[in-house]
Amino acid sequence: KAGVTQTPRYLIKTRGQQVTLSCSPISGHRSVSWYQQTPGQGLQFLFEYFSETQRNKGNFPGRFSGRQFSNSRSEMNVSTLELGDSALYLCASSLQGAEAFFGQGTRLTVV
Amino acid sequence: SQQGEEDPQALSIQEGENATMNCSYKTSINNLQWYRQNSGRGLVHLILIRSNEREKHSGRLRVTLDTSKKSSSLLITASRAADTASYFCATPVTSGTYKYIFGTGTRLKVLA
Repeated sequence: KAGVTQTPRYLIKTRGQQVTLSCSPISGHRSVSWYQQTPGQGLQFLFEYFSETQRNKGNFPGRFSGRQFSNSRSEMNVSTLELGDSALYLCASSLQGAEAFFGQGTRLTVV
Repeated sequence: SQQGEEDPQALSIQEGENATMNCSYKTSINNLQWYRQNSGRGLVHLILIRSNEREKHSGRLRVTLDTSKKSSSLLITASRAADTASYFCATPVTSGTYKYIFGTGTRLKVLA
């Protein structure tokens, strides 16, 4: 069974641009959650989607948004990028009530 | 404040020794998960322990959960250089969802 796939793996963007990250969950998993990891703040929850509905949202500004498609694939978008958005963005998928499995992440660098 | 906090923050041991790391959390939980992260890469799921379980094993890993003390421990026996990584515990903020709070992690270094 294929694991959680995140694309792209690495990304360099300029301040003010926007970026879209993609996450393909494990087949059959309907829950997808996103996390931001930085050296200073650690792992922080961004949002969680289940069956195309946002079920939870973390404490991030409105520049961070996401969505989930009918095939459970998810995207997150960050608009008007800031230097502080440089981070490893991790996506996790899970079956209801079971373990969350993470992808390898997308390393975003904002210059 | 962090729901899950690991202790110690860093641990350096010799190959073959055991490594123990602890996690404390603040609110009631229905499960707790441990993850490993190699430098700058994704998180690898190690073990999920439910609130009605006290101990769980997986290969060289042993996890305990004490809900009365709101704490968990991860023991890695007979450590190997390949175990060098950061280890995190994660607890759900809301039961039934995947809004998890991660601790700051324990950085384990196993010396060959």
